[in-house]
Amino acid sequence: NAGVTQTPKFQVLKTGQSMTLQCAQDMNHNSMYWYRQDPGMGLRLIYYSASEGTTDKGEVPNGYNVSRLNKREFSLRLESAAPSQTSVYFCASSLTPPSTNEKLFFGSGTQLSVL
Amino acid sequence: QKEVEQNSGPLSVPEGAIASLNCTYSDRGSQSFFWYRQYSGKSPELIMSIYSNGDKEDGRFTAQLNKASQYVSLLIRDSQPSDSATYLCAVNFGAGSYQLTFGKGTKLSVIP
Repeated sequence: NAGVTQTPKFQVLKTGQSMTLQCAQDMNHNSMYWYRQDPGMGLRLIYYSASEGTTDKGEVPNGYNVSRLNKREFSLRLESAAPSQTSVYFCASSLTPPSTNEKLFFGSGTQLSVL
Repeated sequence: QKEVEQNSGPLSVPEGAIASLNCTYSDRGSQSFFWYRQYSGKSPELIMSIYSNGDKEDGRFTAQLNKASQYVSLLIRDSQPSDSATYLCAVNFGAGSYQLTFGKGTKLSVIP
């Protein structure tokens, strides 16, 4: 049982390049999320998808776009990468909104460096 | 602005001692509270959640919530070197909200 799978694990981009981070879950979860984690900043929500066909902005959406391709897959796109987007990106999923009875399951992360 | 505050540490405790991790949050109407553990280079994993005032125990871990003081804590009894990690406090500020707000984390080191 793979859980939440992210690709790639590492990526180096030049300023202005574009790329898409892929995420897939095999737990039949309704909701999916993209977070970024910077040193000393904790985890910050970029975008989330409450259910298939919907997406909403989180705390730090600028410079990103997302696509909920189907129930399993949720991708994050950087159209024109900037050094400020250097970070570790985590995809997560949950069956329902996070609550005391429902936790987030995280992928293993993508280390992205923008030069 | 909804905020979650944690002391960044590092917090060092000897093996076998009690580690106490603290978190404050800005919104008195917050609904549910979480402690995630994150080992270096790994993804966060949930260790405790709590939504009502008081204590909740799970093995060596106890979460404590005081909504009047807007304060949540995590106690780790009989600390082990394997508990050395960064502990993230997270708050769901609204019932049914999809947005968890995380603190910056407290790094815990358990010294053998």
